[in-house]
Amino acid sequence: GDSVTQMEGPVTLSEEAFLTINCTYTATGYPSLFWYVQYPGEGLQLLLKATKADDKGSNKGFEATYRKETTSFHLEKGSVQVSDSAVYFCALSKGSGYSTLTFGKGTMLLVSP
Amino acid sequence: DVKVTQSSRYLVKRTGEKVFLECVQDMDHENMFWYRQDPGLGLRLIYFSYDVKMKEKGDIPEGYSVSREKKERFSLILESASTNQTSMYLCASTSSGRDYGYTFGSGTRLTVV
Repeated sequence: GDSVTQMEGPVTLSEEAFLTINCTYTATGYPSLFWYVQYPGEGLQLLLKATKADDKGSNKGFEATYRKETTSFHLEKGSVQVSDSAVYFCALSKGSGYSTLTFGKGTMLLVSP
Repeated sequence: DVKVTQSSRYLVKRTGEKVFLECVQDMDHENMFWYRQDPGLGLRLIYFSYDVKMKEKGDIPEGYSVSREKKERFSLILESASTNQTSMYLCASTSSGRDYGYTFGSGTRLTVV
């Protein structure tokens, strides 16, 4: 079945460091790919998405490129801030009309001043 | 601002009680979902609904049921709560189609004692 694998956390960085969170997927067909963010005590928020190969999603300085050849969708940010501390989830859609999402287990990011 | 609202932020229930978790969305979305979130396991799909009175089992439906009598409301029911159902429960909704991201509620943290 479909699955998403993320790097385990926590990822600990100093402010202004470069961030990469790895995400790879296994899926049949041509899924859409998503990154969600969960701040402490809150639900998940959509951060960015890409719906076809070579698409780049971007938002709030975060970027991810849909790489079909490597089945990857790695999240990057050039300079993290303390306010980016959160849990990040990679997800894919199964491509059915019901729009169900399969999530990775999440990666916690901790940014220190 | 569009919203998914979960009726309770925190709940404490006793083993064997029947528990209702309520979710309401104001976006006229066709699809609604219930997930549970546990440390190290990420998000797991319990049930979803793609239309009024329609429901589909997700990955972990055992011990749960759902009700969708109106398009905007999706209820999760724990028929007889058990301690292993202590978790964070997240409701989400989306329009049909694989390219749409979910909108999540803030979550209900349920403790069964």
